[in-house]
Amino acid sequence: AQKITQTQPGMFVQEKEAVTLDCTYDTSDPSYGLFWYKQPSSGEMIFLIYQGSYDQQNATEGRYSLNFQKARKSANLVISASQLGDSAMYFCAMSLNTDKLIFGTGTRLQVFP
Amino acid sequence: DADVTQTPRNRITKTGKRIMLECSQTKGHDRMYWYRQDPGLGLRLIYYSFDVKDINKGEISDGYSVSRQAQAKFSLSLESAIPNQTALYFCATSPLGANQPQHFGDGTRLSIL
Repeated sequence: AQKITQTQPGMFVQEKEAVTLDCTYDTSDPSYGLFWYKQPSSGEMIFLIYQGSYDQQNATEGRYSLNFQKARKSANLVISASQLGDSAMYFCAMSLNTDKLIFGTGTRLQVFP
Repeated sequence: DADVTQTPRNRITKTGKRIMLECSQTKGHDRMYWYRQDPGLGLRLIYYSFDVKDINKGEISDGYSVSRQAQAKFSLSLESAIPNQTALYFCATSPLGANQPQHFGDGTRLSIL
């Protein structure tokens, strides 16, 4: 069965430090996409970064990078130089050929000064 | 203006009432989706549409119906609302192509008393 697992309900990080949010996935389909979304307290869902299953290099978008380990079926989000505005819920999601997104349960990140 | 607009943003109503949530987009995307978000459960897909004449059930379609009035408009209806449909509802869009990121509206907070 296709599934996304986020095992960290909450994480704390000090401002300017890096933090890794874990995500593992389960699918037998060879073609899939992995996404990370940010949901601030205001509620909107903001697309952060995408990794395709056939991509050879890890995706990066500014301070966000995706540590993609295909054999381990993990797609961890790394946020470098954390800022107070990074405090939010973060969701990992997977799409298969049908392009439906399957979401994990999320990780709440709190950045403290 | 937002690319994906949901109306209303908030709604409080009573059990048994018919409710329609509307979504419109200016992104020109063919694919549109409706999700609900409950605490601790992430986002779950209700219905999706890949074209004006295409409607598909998602993971939790019971108690909901949808209408794709035009490429840019996708509405979600609760024919007879019940309290356990209280949730945050999101509309999303994506372009054609495998594993494209979905772009979300700001959400509708729906409370059913």
